[in-house]
Amino acid sequence: QVQLVQSGAEVKKPGASVKVSCKASGYTFTSYGISWVRQAPGQGLEWMGWISAYNGNTNYAQKLQGRVTMTTDTSTSTAYMELRSLRSDDTAVYYCARDGSVAPFDYWGQGTLVTVSS
Amino acid sequence: DIVMTQTPLSLSVTPGQPASISCKSSQSLLHSDGKTYLYWYLQKPGQPPQLLIYEVSNRFSGVPDRFSGSGSGTDFTLKISRVEAEDVGVYYCMQSIQLPYTFGQGTKLEIK
Repeated sequence: QVQLVQSGAEVKKPGASVKVSCKASGYTFTSYGISWVRQAPGQGLEWMGWISAYNGNTNYAQKLQGRVTMTTDTSTSTAYMELRSLRSDDTAVYYCARDGSVAPFDYWGQGTLVTVSS
Repeated sequence: DIVMTQTPLSLSVTPGQPASISCKSSQSLLHSDGKTYLYWYLQKPGQPPQLLIYEVSNRFSGVPDRFSGSGSGTDFTLKISRVEAEDVGVYYCMQSIQLPYTFGQGTKLEIK
């Protein structure tokens, strides 16, 4: 079965960087893209960007351009999302989700809470 | 960016009764390939979202047939024919015809 397992919660200071991992199993990793979606406390869902696990092509949300980098390691079937210059409003649960054959986000990771606080 | 607007924002339903959620997009979600890129997700309490409906009206694998989606262009509806206790959570519509993908604000379903 398809599984996406994310790394654990992080606490960061403003201005720091965070890198969240998402390990995929149960399918051919390079056949699907991975998107990252975040959810601030008590808020809705915000798409951050997408990466092709096949060739590494990316598309980032304009508001995060310059601060976010998405990468993959095909040898370990793992996707990564790095967010730099963290601010308090980056405090959120960060989800990875598979870009499936019938829909974006057909399977989701469990989420990683990133707290930005001085 | 395409704005997705859901109504109502909250819903309280007696088990066994129907429920309906509306989603309107600021632009048509009908692509030149003939597909309409509108999806519905449910986020149960403390869980990540899960895919319910893809391309307006297709139930994802394992989704009960009490869930149905309809609509076209810019107006869409998710219906639950008979609400069950396990249906509680926040329902989101989402579009993927244009980047950035955007979600509705969410509709919180509670059980009376």
